Amino acid sequence: ILNVEQSPQSLHVQEGDSTNFTCSFPSSNFYALHWYRWETAKSPEALFVMTLNGDEKKKGRISATLNTKEGYSYLYIKGSQPEDSATYLCAFPGEYGNKLVFGAGTILRVKS
Amino acid sequence: EPEVTQTPSHQVTQMGQEVILRCVPISNHLYFYWYRQILGQKVEFLVSFYNNEISEKSEIFDDQFSVERPDGSNFTLKIRSTKLEDSAMYFCASSAQAIYGYTFGSGTRLTVV
Repeated sequence: ILNVEQSPQSLHVQEGDSTNFTCSFPSSNFYALHWYRWETAKSPEALFVMTLNGDEKKKGRISATLNTKEGYSYLYIKGSQPEDSATYLCAFPGEYGNKLVFGAGTILRVKS
Repeated sequence: EPEVTQTPSHQVTQMGQEVILRCVPISNHLYFYWYRQILGQKVEFLVSFYNNEISEKSEIFDDQFSVERPDGSNFTLKIRSTKLEDSAMYFCASSAQAIYGYTFGSGTRLTVV
């Protein structure tokens, strides 16, 4: 059974702090690793799809790295803002690529 | 930017009733999915659909569940006889290729009473 683990479960930071969280996934049969940002009452928004070992992707103040050999990805937010408050989900495609298996998410709350 | 549209946004139904959740995927996408999230739990895969048939389903997706693409644009999830434990947020998603680029709808919150 595929298992995708995320840590920490939740994070409370002050505006301006930089933060990072982790996604662990099976290192064998790697296809891709997805990061989503999910605000309450909205649809999960795709942040990154990472495919290559050593990949680093950036979108504004958010960036992500990927290590497929050891099975982890880090998501970094530089200078957190209150509007970054959301649940950050990572997901890993199943064996045949027919589905995404999600981690439990990291809930980020940024206080102003 | 193209969107996946889900209706209704919230549905309340009595236990034992049938519900149909509707989704309009992005028009040139070929792969369609339903996921759900029970409050406080992980987002769970229900079913994937490609080329007018189910390509994979989870153990949650039992005989009470079915999916259809009745008219080439809508993608529906039917629950025949709802149970209290079916209460969850149900998300539809579509993608142009499996593995990459999923676009999610904003979800239908189903409450079974």
